[in-house]
Amino acid sequence: KAGVTQTPRYLIKTRGQQVTLSCSPISGHRSVSWYQQTPGQGLQFLFEYFSETQRNKGNFPGRFSGRQFSNSRSEMNVSTLELGDSALYLCASSLEAAGTDTQYFGPGTRLTVL
Amino acid sequence: QQQVKQSPQSLIVQKGGISIINCAYENTAFDYFPWYQQFPGKGPALLIAIRPDVSEKKEGRFTISFNKSAKQFSLHIMDSQPGDSATYFCAASGDNAGGTSYGKLTFGQGTILTVHP
Repeated sequence: KAGVTQTPRYLIKTRGQQVTLSCSPISGHRSVSWYQQTPGQGLQFLFEYFSETQRNKGNFPGRFSGRQFSNSRSEMNVSTLELGDSALYLCASSLEAAGTDTQYFGPGTRLTVL
Repeated sequence: QQQVKQSPQSLIVQKGGISIINCAYENTAFDYFPWYQQFPGKGPALLIAIRPDVSEKKEGRFTISFNKSAKQFSLHIMDSQPGDSATYFCAASGDNAGGTSYGKLTFGQGTILTVHP
């Protein structure tokens, strides 16, 4: 079974631009969660989608948004980029994110904001 | 209430030694505690996980010890190997919204483990 894939793997943007990151979950998985990883803040939860609905949300500004499609693929969007948005963005999928469902992480998208 | 505190930030052990990483949590709704291992350039990968109904879980060289009353849990790596050198994260999640909150993992700050040959 193929793992979680994320595209693109690397991205360079300038302040004020917007960016869209994509995540394809493991086949059959319906829950997709997004995390931001930085050296200073560690791994922080952004949001989770399940059956095309946002089910959980972290403490990030409204510039961070996402969506999930009927095939469970997910995208996250960051508008009006700031220097502090430079980070590794990780996507994780699980069957239903219920109880002990394992979250499987993708390799991440490295975003650099100049 | 949502924090998970992890220590130490970094750890150096000799090959064959025992590596111990500790975590403490505050939110009593947490009831699922996984440990993830991350190598440079890769996403985190699940190592081992525990629920509060057991005090210890062992898988190969990796053991989780769990103390519900103290709200603490720890990872022990026995016979540590150079290939274990990685960053380790503890995490927690729980059902505080009718069974829909497990998709949100709260992570500790991570421990960089270096195992010298």
